[in-house]
Amino acid sequence: QSVLTQPPSVSAAPGQKVTISCSGSSSNIGSNYVSWYQQLPGTAPKLLIYDNTKRPSGIPDRFSGSKSGTSATLGITGLQTGDEADYYCGTWDRSLSAGVFGGGTKLTVL
Amino acid sequence: QVQLVESGGGVVQPGRSLRLSCAASGFTFSSYGMHWVRQAPGKGLEWVADIWHDGSNKYYADSVKGRFTISRDNSKNTLYLQMNGLRAEDTAVYYCAKDYYASGMVKDYWGQGTLVTVSS
Repeated sequence: QSVLTQPPSVSAAPGQKVTISCSGSSSNIGSNYVSWYQQLPGTAPKLLIYDNTKRPSGIPDRFSGSKSGTSATLGITGLQTGDEADYYCGTWDRSLSAGVFGGGTKLTVL
Repeated sequence: QVQLVESGGGVVQPGRSLRLSCAASGFTFSSYGMHWVRQAPGKGLEWVADIWHDGSNKYYADSVKGRFTISRDNSKNTLYLQMNGLRAEDTAVYYCAKDYYASGMVKDYWGQGTLVTVSS
């Protein structure tokens, strides 16, 4: 069981929008920045969002992040078949003094 | 461009040791924190350990504390993970990742991973 809770799967049609939630507690999301990672099948993870809302260079603005209290959300608009991947949220947990990830969410673009 | 290349993985018997290395290039290695993250077959990501840019602070997941040691040699641009007392549940692909900051939790570049299999 992961410290951060994500839905196991989400799906949407091409061109549509999807959101992926990440729920935590005051010791992790509530007091630290959240990052989001995309892992395409058979590849290493890739940073999508950091510091809750910032996108690294090269990440299209179709990807967005937000945080409210002890939850964070990744939004993806204009879905493409190439977006099919596993998505993970991550942050620091001050009670554990450890990094933590969500269990991952598999996105299917129907 | 940033490159992270892990090595040292393989098949090892339970209770034995293994040392992973991560050779870094394309950035000022001594300025950034570094992480090890693992992924068991068919499972999600698990953060393993991280080390600050200057090696002054190290943190570990409870699952590896006391068995694994993270270290770095800034003169060689190399990150290490010494793994002792290996267990079957340590079987995973191990990724090294660069932090966006000198000491943080944002992994902005990842290596391709090296597979560690613990089996008798």
